[in-house]
Amino acid sequence: NAGVTQTPKFQVLKTGQSMTLQCAQDMNHNSMYWYRQDPGMGLRLIYYSASEGTTDKGEVPNGYNVSRLNKREFSLRLESAAPSQTSVYFCASRRVQDSQPQHFGDGTRLSIL
Amino acid sequence: AQSVTQPDIHITVSEGASLELRCNYSYGATPYLFWYVQSPGQGLQLLLKYFSGDTLVQGIKGFEAEFKRSQSSFNLRKPSVHWSDAAEYFCAVGANDYKLSFGAGTTVTVRA
Repeated sequence: NAGVTQTPKFQVLKTGQSMTLQCAQDMNHNSMYWYRQDPGMGLRLIYYSASEGTTDKGEVPNGYNVSRLNKREFSLRLESAAPSQTSVYFCASRRVQDSQPQHFGDGTRLSIL
Repeated sequence: AQSVTQPDIHITVSEGASLELRCNYSYGATPYLFWYVQSPGQGLQLLLKYFSGDTLVQGIKGFEAEFKRSQSSFNLRKPSVHWSDAAEYFCAVGANDYKLSFGAGTTVTVRA
């Protein structure tokens, strides 16, 4: 099925380990986004990529890096994981034309011990 | 800066009863407004959106929302709730470049 695919779905890390969360979309969307979801705080934007080759910081970028590998893929990297980064991470994509809304993946549940 | 407030953390409603979820936003220009629904363990699904035009917006699953500029509100309504509507609902506001700001969410419980 077409959509946004995130891998892995679950991951447990130890403090200080590194990890890359993968996101791929097959809808030929221009823009892609990474959010984190924490209880009582809704979703907060970490980074986004308005188009292939560009990335920009969102509301909570500290401790993360991103790579827009190509039009389909947008990865999120934690270089040195901290317990405060325990969260559910969502990737989203959007077609810029026609004021289309964002489409979300099913999330990656990340626990850092 | 844009922001969204959802005053109700949790709402319980009987099946067949009406539902209204409140959303207040802060934004300096004409906002892009959205309601998303999230079922447990799932991603977010768009219910409806408002960009301009008619202030009463119809969405999927029988939901509607009304944009009231004077009150900076975008409340979501459904006339008759089904058990499958139990979920978490998020209101979001976006700028032209689509950097969305989400509210903290409202969890809806449906009792038989």
